[in-house]
Amino acid sequence: EVQLVESGGGLVQPGGSLRLSCAASGFIFSNYAMHWVRQAPGEGLEYVSAISSNGGSTYHTNSVKGRFTISRDNSKNTLFLQMGSLRGEDMAVYYCAREGRGNWIDYWGQGILVTVSS
Amino acid sequence: DIQMTQSPSSLSASVGDRVTITCRASQGISNYLAWFQQKPGKAPKSLIYATSSLQSGVPSKFSGSGSGTDFTLTISSLQPEDFATYYCQQYNSYPYTFGQGTKLEIK
Repeated sequence: EVQLVESGGGLVQPGGSLRLSCAASGFIFSNYAMHWVRQAPGEGLEYVSAISSNGGSTYHTNSVKGRFTISRDNSKNTLFLQMGSLRGEDMAVYYCAREGRGNWIDYWGQGILVTVSS
Repeated sequence: DIQMTQSPSSLSASVGDRVTITCRASQGISNYLAWFQQKPGKAPKSLIYATSSLQSGVPSKFSGSGSGTDFTLTISSLQPEDFATYYCQQYNSYPYTFGQGTKLEIK
């Protein structure tokens, strides 16, 4: 069974940093590209970042470019999102998601809340 | 970025009804279109990929169609568990943008 479990969320002050983790199990992690998607309270889904299966290629949406970094450790079956210079508009539930064989997202984690507030 | 526009934003329907949700892309995306279902407080669930292919385990009451810029999700014989918010997403090019969502409510 595919499982994705996020951790590392919480309360952070504006301008602060946080690192999210996503522990993967039930599949060969190193074979799959991965994504982060976020959802602000009461809002829709927003695409954040992506990373290829070997970590060699990454993408970050414009609003987080230069502040967030996606990475992975295939030896530990873990995906990361390093977030810096956090702003109020970054407050959201962050989901990690697996990219299926045809490039679509097929599995999602349960999500982790990041609160940005002083 | 490719903009995805869903309509309607909200929809009221009764148990047993058939409903259709539309998703329009601001430029052609071939068939690289997925649909997700999200219930309150829960993670999204994958329903359809490649416009019309059902994710494993998804009942055939869900169907998708379209190509290019115009796509639809149809749900037949609505049951109480189908009332949720539905999102389309294009994965033709980064960023893999989502529609704003369609909230399906019980009439």
